[in-house]
Amino acid sequence: DTGVSQDPRHKITKRGQNVTFRCDPISEHNRLYWYRQTLGQGPEFLTYFQNEAQLEKSRLLSDRFSAERPKGSFSTLEIQRTEQGDSAMYLCASSPRLAGVSSNEQFFGPGTRLTVL
Amino acid sequence: AQRVTQPEKLLSVFKGAPVELKCNYSYSGSPELFWYVQYSRQRLQLLLRHISRESIKGFTADLNKGETSFHLKKPFAQEEDSAMYYCALSGTGFQKLVFGTGTRLLVSP
Repeated sequence: DTGVSQDPRHKITKRGQNVTFRCDPISEHNRLYWYRQTLGQGPEFLTYFQNEAQLEKSRLLSDRFSAERPKGSFSTLEIQRTEQGDSAMYLCASSPRLAGVSSNEQFFGPGTRLTVL
Repeated sequence: AQRVTQPEKLLSVFKGAPVELKCNYSYSGSPELFWYVQYSRQRLQLLLRHISRESIKGFTADLNKGETSFHLKKPFAQEEDSAMYYCALSGTGFQKLVFGTGTRLLVSP
């Protein structure tokens, strides 16, 4: 499967614990995005990387959240001291940057569903 | 600020009926609009984007900058069209996608 992959697919944790999610983008896609989706809502942007550089962070990304993409390939999203309000689907997407093509089409992974008890 | 509005949470039609899923956006720059679809137990996937002006699975959408709309249309709905549909906005100067809240389309036999 050459699509975006995410691990784990499901995570149940207790309030106050730390969790880390992984995203593997489509090979050679240099742009990577994290979104969060709660019930009844569309995906909401969290953060964006171009190669290894984190270029934009949403105000939704509190200081308990940190994302990395150390080698410009896979990315991790860590949530420290989880709260019940963090329960959501966390989506990763990737996008190529093609010379001469100006489009922001993004390819999504299956998501990681986080439940904080 | 950028915003996408999908006024209908649920649209229920019979097979063979025409479908129009509404999407309005707010953005002062040059927009790029998308429709994404999520079938049951599948990931979010691109259905179509305005710059390609394609018809995918019989769906079309035209960007109307005067009305700031990008409604999704299909003349004859099929049961397999039942899914969650999200309208999304991007544009020059920002890389993220801004999504609407989605419309669930239910096509009954």
